[in-house]
This record gives sequence, C-alpha cells and structure tokens, in this order.
Amino acid sequence: QQQVKQSPQSLIVQKGGISIINCAYENTAFDYFPWYQQFPGKGPALLIAIRPDVSEKKEGRFTISFNKSAKQFSLHIMDSQPGDSATYFCAASTGSNYQLIWGAGTKLIIKP
Amino acid sequence: DVKVTQSSRYLVKRTGEKVFLECVQDMDHENMFWYRQDPGLGLRLIYFSYDVKMKEKGDIPEGYSVSREKKERFSLILESASTNQTSMYLCASRPVFMSYNEQFFGPGTRLTVL
Repeated sequence: QQQVKQSPQSLIVQKGGISIINCAYENTAFDYFPWYQQFPGKGPALLIAIRPDVSEKKEGRFTISFNKSAKQFSLHIMDSQPGDSATYFCAASTGSNYQLIWGAGTKLIIKP
Repeated sequence: DVKVTQSSRYLVKRTGEKVFLECVQDMDHENMFWYRQDPGLGLRLIYFSYDVKMKEKGDIPEGYSVSREKKERFSLILESASTNQTSMYLCASRPVFMSYNEQFFGPGTRLTVL
C-alpha cells in the first residue's frame, strides 16, 4: 500500500511533442505528490508538486494532472525540448511524514 | 541556494573493504537521508536521521550503518563491501519546518565494488 507505481520506464518523444508520465498509488493518506527531475551526473531536484485539493497545477511547460478517485497523477511536458531529456521521478508523502515514497523513474529522451 | 555535497563522485573498492561515504549540507537542515539508486528500482531509502545522533532504518539497511555526530554531516558506512552494493548513492537533506516536503540532493557517489 506504500508503493507508487510509475510508467513508462522509458520514453522517447520528438521535439515539440507532449511527454506524459503516469503514476498510481494506493495509500489514500498521501497528501503531497511531487515530481523530481534528474539530469545525468546530478541528484534529483524538485520540479513541480501538487496537493490533492486541486486537479491540476501548471508551471510553464510542466503540468501535473491529479485524479483523486482513480488514485493517479501524471506529469505532462508540453512542447518538449532536448533540454528536458532527464530521468523523472514521481513521489508521494503524508503531511506528518518526512519520508517520500518514490516511483521507479522514467528516462525521457527528446529527439531533435 | 541549498548545497549538499558528497565526498566522492566515483569510488572503486574491493570486496570486504570498509567504505565511508560522506555527505555535508550547508543549510542547517535537521533531516538527512541516504538512498541508493538502481535502474528500474528508483530511489530506495537506506537510513535517515531526524537530527544529530538520531538515526532510523529505511527500507534496505542491511549491510550499512550511519553516523551523524554533527548536524551538517551524515556518513554512510559499508562495513564489508560486497559486489551487490555497487550502485549510485544519493544523500539528501530537508528542514523540519517546511510547508512542503522537499528534499535537497547531492550529486551522488557512484560506487563500484570489485
């Protein structure tokens, strides 16, 4: 019940296209859902996050869509650029717990 | 900017050696974490520390120990390195009083055990 399942494991998208990465969870106590971005040779860094009281959050080209009833959330990257090529991790946590439960990661490659 | 540094970017050790991985953060964060990252498995928590001298096991603590004698420094120790501990090791920190649960990561140490 503590797991966060992330798909796909890898994704290739043409420049200018939309990249979509999906995550699903079971624990309804989760109340914070971040996405982290990791470039080669670097540690992950927070990209965007959402709480379950909203269904969507947008920051520039990055959007999180959240479906509470389905217990799913997804990251959409609009107008994908080669510089977006990275590994993306979804995660979840509860308000009282400092631990993050991580998805397995998605390696995204944007082809020029 | 928060800075988390790790003592080595790449490390090669032999089976049975004792290995020390060091992590230092400069933002006075109370919580610190050690993860290992393996392809297809995401980030798995090895140990975390609430504060100085406090530690708790994560999901995969076997074969590892930790030390936190000072607030800014969190060490991961492999008592007797084995080949299945070849991995990328990531350190992270976070402040206790934060409205959202953001962890700040170091660049990682890629450890190879021969």
